[in-house]
Amino acid sequence: EEQLLESGGGLVQPGGSLRLSCAASGFTLSDHGMSWVRQAPGKGLDWVAHITNDGSTFYADSVTGRFTIFRDNSRNTLYLQMDSLRAEDTALYYCAKQVSAGGFNWGQGTLVTVSS
Amino acid sequence: DIVMTQSPDSLAVSLGERATINCKSGQSVFSSSNNKNYLAWYQQKPGQPPKLLICWASTRESGVPDRFSGSGSGTDFTLSISSLQVEDVAVYYCQQYYQTPFTFGQGTKLEI
Repeated sequence: EEQLLESGGGLVQPGGSLRLSCAASGFTLSDHGMSWVRQAPGKGLDWVAHITNDGSTFYADSVTGRFTIFRDNSRNTLYLQMDSLRAEDTALYYCAKQVSAGGFNWGQGTLVTVSS
Repeated sequence: DIVMTQSPDSLAVSLGERATINCKSGQSVFSSSNNKNYLAWYQQKPGQPPKLLICWASTRESGVPDRFSGSGSGTDFTLSISSLQVEDVAVYYCQQYYQTPFTFGQGTKLEI
């Protein structure tokens, strides 16, 4: 069974950093495009970043220069390095696997709270 | 960026009746290279991650009940639920994956 397990969320002060992890099981992560998507409390879905199977990366304008998506193929794990965090980055962060038909299957998410 | 706009924002439908949710993209998400629309629909229930229902605008994912159907092409798309069940109460989102950023609609809250 394919699974995505996010971790690394927590409380961080504005300007701080956090690294999220998404451990994949049941499939080879590097064979698929992978995204991070966030959802602020009570709000809709907000796409954050994407890495293709060949390693190309793409970012939302709101996080460009602050967030970095990367993967460790040996650990079959996806990461999101988040620097210079702002209050508006507070959200539940999901990692999502792009299926062959293009849509995404999602993990359970990890909560990031940016507050002093 | 491709802006995705859903209508209505919320919808109340009686059990057994049909529900229709619309999604409009700011530019076409159709690719003539493979004749496919890069449009997905998701269902999100409270406290759960979104669940993929439909890809390519009209292809149901495995295990999704056949009362769910997607239609449309280019810039205008529709998700229909033919006979509403209690378990269909959720928020529904469309998403384009034609180009990054992979934008979502604002969501439609479906109630009974």
